[in-house]
Amino acid sequence: EADIYQTPRYLVIGTGKKITLECSQTMGHDKMYWYQQDPGMELHLIHYSYGVNSTEKGDLSSESTVSRIRTEHFPLTLESARPSHTSQYLCASSDGGGTIYFGEGSWLTVV
Amino acid sequence: QKEVEQNSGPLSVPEGAIASLNCTYSDRGSQSFFWYRQYSGKSPELIMFIYSNGDKEDGRFTAQLNKASQYVSLLIRDSQPSDSATYLCAVIGSWGKLQFGAGTQVVVTP
Repeated sequence: EADIYQTPRYLVIGTGKKITLECSQTMGHDKMYWYQQDPGMELHLIHYSYGVNSTEKGDLSSESTVSRIRTEHFPLTLESARPSHTSQYLCASSDGGGTIYFGEGSWLTVV
Repeated sequence: QKEVEQNSGPLSVPEGAIASLNCTYSDRGSQSFFWYRQYSGKSPELIMFIYSNGDKEDGRFTAQLNKASQYVSLLIRDSQPSDSATYLCAVIGSWGKLQFGAGTQVVVTP
């Protein structure tokens, strides 16, 4: 069982608010990821990190930003949320063999 | 062309039958291949991985890899209604980058 945690699980906020989605893993994995997924749609990689102080943008352009100050922590921030940011955000980490483990996801609704 | 291709489905399978899911990839240097299951509203969970050509069995699931033809498949034997989900193929390419397919929806009908 994967030890990767996301908070909040569900969030409804107003347009223009700043939010941070938290993600922590206790497995000591160097690689961490953020995916965005709309209901019934495919996963889109928006950010990834291969270690502390290393972050890269993914395949899908996103207005969010990430940081990786500690191995176990990979938060995602939206400076000014918009209704188009409404989606599910999935955090994940992977081991040396490439197996990726997902958190339970954060459902964001911007009204 | 996407790097990892799957039929979106839905794939309708009678209960007790075999579900066969296919995935093709474009990077000939890919080395690691994974199948994930995702229930509606939930996050993906690993079913199995395969690294070598041939078959790998785990319970009712069998993964098949053919690197020459660049495809990997998943067979689900004795399909159950609880197998109804979207199945995601994932591939680690020659540059170490993980790519997911769009997923195939499987519906097992009683």
